[in-house]
Amino acid sequence: EAQVTQNPRYLITVTGKKLTVTCSQNMNHEYMSWYRQDPGLGLRQIYYSMNVEVTDKGDVPEGYKVSRKEKRNFPLILESPSPNQTSLYFCASSLSDRNEQFFGPGTRLTVL
Amino acid sequence: GESVGLHLPTLSVQEGDNSIINCAYSNSASDYFIWYKQESGKGPQFIIDIRSNMDKRQGQRVTVLLNKTVKHLSLQIAATQPGDSAVYFCSRSGSARQLTFGSGTQLTVLP
Repeated sequence: EAQVTQNPRYLITVTGKKLTVTCSQNMNHEYMSWYRQDPGLGLRQIYYSMNVEVTDKGDVPEGYKVSRKEKRNFPLILESPSPNQTSLYFCASSLSDRNEQFFGPGTRLTVL
Repeated sequence: GESVGLHLPTLSVQEGDNSIINCAYSNSASDYFIWYKQESGKGPQFIIDIRSNMDKRQGQRVTVLLNKTVKHLSLQIAATQPGDSAVYFCSRSGSARQLTFGSGTQLTVLP
């Protein structure tokens, strides 16, 4: 089944404790992206990747890192999480930046 | 800067009626627009797309209209059903190679 998977689905952590949210797709898509979704603000892009080893900042990259060492994986790293990073995070992939995106199920992160 | 937004945060329609969800954009370089549907507790799902060289595209029960003159996009859902209740987002892809989403319209279908 073609899909985007994210792990964990739910995470509660404390300020400053490094964490990684994994994202994997099995569709051989080149374009991958991370979003956060907050009430009243919609989906905001954090980082995106056009292909392996090619990443770039989205609208709200501060406090986040990403890597794209393999085509299928695009982990989101929070080196020192803060409470303002409490949010619902979505990973997405598409054939290119000019095709529809396939979204993962979301990761709900709470930073205390 | 460029932006994509939705006109109304909420819309309620009677089951069986048609729904119209609107979206405005500011960047003329956009060449591809996509509508997504997000059901409660799930990630957004693709509904329909339209290229900037078109002004209308139809799918199953859905139609997207693009008015480049006023930079306006709309999604029409025919014979709205309870399963259509969700948040709807418009998205654009263009020369910036970044994908922007509006804040979403919550569609509620009343029995």
